[in-house]
Amino acid sequence: EDQVTQSPEALRLQEGESSSLNCSYTVSGLRGLFWYRQDPGKGPEFLFTLYSAGEEKEKERLKATLTKKESFLHITAPKPEDSATYLCAVQGGGSQGNLIFGKGTKLSVKP
Amino acid sequence: DAGVTQSPTHLIKTRGQQVTLRCSPKSGHDTVSWYQQALGQGPQFIFQYYEEEERQRGNFPDRFSGHQFPNYSSELNVNALLLGDSALYLCASSLIAGEEQFFGPGTRLTVL
Repeated sequence: EDQVTQSPEALRLQEGESSSLNCSYTVSGLRGLFWYRQDPGKGPEFLFTLYSAGEEKEKERLKATLTKKESFLHITAPKPEDSATYLCAVQGGGSQGNLIFGKGTKLSVKP
Repeated sequence: DAGVTQSPTHLIKTRGQQVTLRCSPKSGHDTVSWYQQALGQGPQFIFQYYEEEERQRGNFPDRFSGHQFPNYSSELNVNALLLGDSALYLCASSLIAGEEQFFGPGTRLTVL
């Protein structure tokens, strides 16, 4: 069964304090791993898609990396506006389109 | 370029009632997926529609049904509402040939 586990559940950082969020996954034939950002009461906002181990993508202060078992979302010198819940999702080979999500990591960045 | 839109924003119903939620996909997208997100959880896949047919379904009872129209917009219907159906209902659109799904703002359903 396809499964996604995210850690930590919550993370508090000071502004400028870099850190990483973890997404461990079990999937039959990975078609894609996706990172989303979600603000309270709103829909997830697409950030990155990763397709194969070794792939990396960057956007402003965020960098996503992928191995065969996990993905990391690195946040460099975060700002208070980076506070949100970050969701990881996978799409497996047996899937025709559905995403399997983790529970997310709630990030708080204090000024 | 209009993104994914959903209506209504909020909805309050009582147990046993029926509800219909609506979604318009991002311009150029032909596939619509519906997800249920309980508080503090990640979204859970309900079903996906393509060419007006249900293409794939998650682990949800038959009380949850849907429809896709020729203009690619979609509806989610839930019958015989239960308290546990209270959640944020998310619509996501994509191109059938691609995997990236773009989400709408969601409909917050409260069942009393």
